[in-house]
Amino acid sequence: AQSVAQPEDQVNVAEGNPLTVKCTYSVSGNPYLFWYVQYPNRGLQFLLKYITGDNLVKGSYGFEAEFNKSQTSFHLKKPSALVSDSALYFCAVRASFSGGYNKLIFGAGTRLAVHP
Amino acid sequence: GAVVSQHPSRVICKSGTSVKIECRSLDFQATTMFWYRQFPKQSLMLMATSNEGSKATYEQGVEKDKFLINHASLTLSTLTVTSAHPEDSSFYICSARVPDRVAGELFFGEGSRLTVL
Repeated sequence: AQSVAQPEDQVNVAEGNPLTVKCTYSVSGNPYLFWYVQYPNRGLQFLLKYITGDNLVKGSYGFEAEFNKSQTSFHLKKPSALVSDSALYFCAVRASFSGGYNKLIFGAGTRLAVHP
Repeated sequence: GAVVSQHPSRVICKSGTSVKIECRSLDFQATTMFWYRQFPKQSLMLMATSNEGSKATYEQGVEKDKFLINHASLTLSTLTVTSAHPEDSSFYICSARVPDRVAGELFFGEGSRLTVL
């Protein structure tokens, strides 16, 4: 089955420290992978995507993600966390179905808390 | 670019009434829009795919007569929650796919919080 897993409900990190939010996926074919961020009572904001090419993808607000095919992972990273990065982060993969139909499958979300 | 606007952001209604939520793509034409529902502290659940000029495609378990979707133009999709009940209270989020984006990433509206009394 095509799916996305975010193993951590919450990640806590001190401001200025590096952060990692984990994501693994299962999909047929080549994966198209995405990270989104959600602030309270708001919609989702697109952070970055991986289609092909370099395994390290750079996105908005200083975030980057590393695609690892052998580990089927797409972890989100930032070298130095800010308190304002505290939010809910979703990993997503584009899944294809019969008839050419495709949709994004989202992980359960990981709440990032950055402490001063 | 790729701005999606959703309205209203909050709505409170009485049980039994119907509520309409609008989703607009402001700077691009969206042939396909998606409607999601999000419960507290949970992920997004895809409800339906809205296709301009044709019927929406509903996910399994979603009542099409309860959640009416109309995609009348390339920039507007509406979700109407009919005969709303307290269990329909939730955060509803729309999204749109920008044409010609290879990966098919979605851009989301700000969400609409529905409270049914």
